[in-house]
Amino acid sequence: EIVMTQSPATLSVSPGERATLSCRASQSVSSNLAWYQQKPGQAPRLLIYGASTRATGIPARFSGSGSGTEFTLTISSLQSEDFAVYYCQQYNNWPRTFGPGTKVDIK
Amino acid sequence: EVQLVESGGGLVQPGGSLRLSCAASGFTFSSYWMSWVRQAPGKGLEWVANIKQDGSEKYYVDSVKGRFTISRDNAKNSLYLQMNSLRAEDTAVYYCARENGGYALYYFDYWGQGTLVTVSS
Repeated sequence: EIVMTQSPATLSVSPGERATLSCRASQSVSSNLAWYQQKPGQAPRLLIYGASTRATGIPARFSGSGSGTEFTLTISSLQSEDFAVYYCQQYNNWPRTFGPGTKVDIK
Repeated sequence: EVQLVESGGGLVQPGGSLRLSCAASGFTFSSYWMSWVRQAPGKGLEWVANIKQDGSEKYYVDSVKGRFTISRDNAKNSLYLQMNSLRAEDTAVYYCARENGGYALYYFDYWGQGTLVTVSS
């Protein structure tokens, strides 16, 4: 099983600032990496797939990069609605596995 | 608009059974792999099981093999999860999710709102 790790566990950011979230896989997952956003009491929402492709309707301030074992989600200028938990997930190997999440909260 | 609506959650005693349902609309249900993903209270996400478009292939996470059964009824646009021999560690919100992608490399592009299963005496 591929183990996904995310850092930091919590990121405190002021509105308008840039946020950089990291995700690491225990072995290569190529570019088969997705990012999800989850707000309290809501279902996860797909943000990024293929490591860098934004899902339908996702604002351009969200961008993903990386391949192999190291990945990054960048939110260029945080809006109030972006404060949430972000999960990465690999879909290169079975079983599909998620990272533990990074909580982005208001500084 | 793609919609996935889960139902069937509730409180059940350890060793008991529960059947979850997911009603799909807004897309051609029979064209997609479908999954169940769960989230224990205050915890992260865990993929549980998935099923091929025609139901001919099914896969499970090791912790539920032999206890949970995923199925679908394409005529009713519905996905199911039969959960038997439930344990306290199965307590979670269970999400129905549509898979998308290609070449057997699928991510979850739409999720339902979830249904809470609580296993407790």
